[in-house]
Amino acid sequence: AQTVTQSQPEMSVQEAETVTLSCTYDTSENNYYLFWYKQPPSRQMILVIRQEAYKQQNATENRFSVNFQKAAKSFSLKISDSQLGDTAMYFCAFMKTMDSNYQLIWGAGTKLIIKP
Amino acid sequence: DTEVTQTPKHLVMGMTNKKSLKCEQHMGHRAMYWYKQKAKKPPELMFVYSYEKLSINESVPSRFSPECPNSSLLNLHLHALQPEDSALYLCASSPEGGYGGNTIYFGEGSWLTVV
Repeated sequence: AQTVTQSQPEMSVQEAETVTLSCTYDTSENNYYLFWYKQPPSRQMILVIRQEAYKQQNATENRFSVNFQKAAKSFSLKISDSQLGDTAMYFCAFMKTMDSNYQLIWGAGTKLIIKP
Repeated sequence: DTEVTQTPKHLVMGMTNKKSLKCEQHMGHRAMYWYKQKAKKPPELMFVYSYEKLSINESVPSRFSPECPNSSLLNLHLHALQPEDSALYLCASSPEGGYGGNTIYFGEGSWLTVV
């Protein structure tokens, strides 16, 4: 069975700083997908970034980038030049490449607070 | 802006009421989902419809009844709920269900309070 672990329940940084959220996972699969979702106080779950395990290149999306270490089963999210609007719960999630159960396996989440 | 639209955004209902949550997407996605989310927890999958057919029912109590009238619409009918059913209900969709790591896109959610 797959598991996803986010070891930081809560983090707080000053606006404009860089912050890294950690995520580790456990799987015996070779091909899979990893996601970071953001859920601000408005509660909508928003896709931040997606990584295909077969791609060695780390995914980036504007100020958001990941450090994907397949051998270490690590998938951290770096937020550069953090903004007040980045305040949210961040969830790391895993999906198998072929999954007839349609399951996203979620981490417990990290609450990120950006202070002015 | 979300392309998965949920109504109502807030719902308060008594334990004997019958109500429905509605979800609509116009992205041409063929898989639609209902999730339940409690405060400070990740979402829990409830139901999946793939090509308008119920594919997954994660042992959800029968007081929750899903319906997929067409490929763009998904309803969740609620009847005789319990206070512990109070939660955020998220609708989501993906291009296809479960294959190729299809990204799942979420709506804004419907806050349900059972009194």
